[in-house]
Amino acid sequence: GQQVMQIPQYQHVQEGEDFTTYCNSSTTLSNIQWYKQRPGGHPVFLIQLVKSGEVKKQKRLTFQFGEAKKNSSLHITATQTTDVGTYFCAGPKDNYGQNFVFGPGTRLSVLP
Amino acid sequence: EAGVVQSPRYKIIEKKQPVAFWCNPISGHNTLYWYLQNLGQGPELLIRYENEEAVDDSQLPKDRFSAERLKGVDSTLKIQPAELGDSAVYLCASSLDYHVNEQFFGPGTRLTVL
Repeated sequence: GQQVMQIPQYQHVQEGEDFTTYCNSSTTLSNIQWYKQRPGGHPVFLIQLVKSGEVKKQKRLTFQFGEAKKNSSLHITATQTTDVGTYFCAGPKDNYGQNFVFGPGTRLSVLP
Repeated sequence: EAGVVQSPRYKIIEKKQPVAFWCNPISGHNTLYWYLQNLGQGPELLIRYENEEAVDDSQLPKDRFSAERLKGVDSTLKIQPAELGDSAVYLCASSLDYHVNEQFFGPGTRLTVL
């Protein structure tokens, strides 16, 4: 079945440093979603990417969807302590795009 | 706008006991998901509803798990009997429909089976 992998599993950064997490799928994706889960919290939707090569920005967060639509990345510029949490990517389980398979997540720690 | 509501937030039971979780999605959201999340892992889909119809329950362990969404609004997920390995967080999420599929998650129910 479809698999979604993420690297790294953990990332520790000093406040102000940049952070990037990568998401790779075993199959071509029609779209990809990103979620953030704070410690003790629940996943919160960040963004959905649909087009090949798409780049979207949300303040200090930059999301990219690969040209082949099999990989994606999330880059945070100048991390802050509020960025702490686990970042998940999720890709559709099938071509209908109605069920999503979540990656294992990248846990970000930001040291003040 | 009220978010997805789940209850209880925490549940501790002994193995072989039954347990039920309740979810009320965001008003007007036709699609409802139940996920299981183990510590340090991503959510895993158990079942998806479109209104009152379970359109994908392929990942639901049907020998002990059941779910219902009788009126197409709130939903209940049941485990009977619970096993030690069922200890996890059970998340409910909803989306407007299968076209607009941004998922809104509830706070989850943390189940501990002793």
